[in-house]
Amino acid sequence: QSALTQPASVSGSPGQSITISCTGTSSDVGAYNLVSWYQQHPGKAPKVMIYEGSQRPSGVSNRFSGSKSGNTASLTISGLQAEDEADYYCCSYAGSSVYVFGTGTKVTVI
Amino acid sequence: EVQLVESGGGLIQPGRSLRLSCAASGFTFDNYAMHWVRQAPGKGLEWVSGISWNSGSIGYAGSVMGRFTISRDNAKNSLNLQMNSLRPDDTALYYCAKGAVGDFWASYRHEFDFWGQGALVTVSS
Repeated sequence: QSALTQPASVSGSPGQSITISCTGTSSDVGAYNLVSWYQQHPGKAPKVMIYEGSQRPSGVSNRFSGSKSGNTASLTISGLQAEDEADYYCCSYAGSSVYVFGTGTKVTVI
Repeated sequence: EVQLVESGGGLIQPGRSLRLSCAASGFTFDNYAMHWVRQAPGKGLEWVSGISWNSGSIGYAGSVMGRFTISRDNAKNSLNLQMNSLRPDDTALYYCAKGAVGDFWASYRHEFDFWGQGALVTVSS
């Protein structure tokens, strides 16, 4: 399994919206509606922000939303805030009890 | 409160073995799949291995297949990772993570909803 492809970095100004893409294949992202997204601040454990492609866990801001089209999933952060500056990773179930993470995207609030 | 506490990390020479453990509390351990995810210094997350609630389904990343073995003891609420033939590129912070469902056959909720703080494994001579 190869890592899902994400842009290395995305930046935006406070209040803007940004979108992070996550491109896989027809064997992982395209095969299942089971993409999750994680936020990781420096020195901290990851935190799930989106599951099943577009569902938000309790307590996660509605500024975070997810979608999928074909083999590409996307995470959108609207109303960007300083606290959103972190690394973001997508992850997909790939069948046969195997999962694959994305390469990771560093979000910078400029 | 869900708690996952990893132990067993340390400095180990290439080719040697090491066993990581994860002590779980605050939830019904034997209802959920469990996973190991690692992060090399300054690098991204890599899923390593996962095990279903009853150990009936187990998966491994290609990079560790045949060298690492995952197991769980539901009576002790613990998850283990036996790591053999360690290589320098296995150097990483190893996280224990709880799955949101019990088995990989579920068509929903495959996220990792709780994470430990990690155990550092350094493979070096």
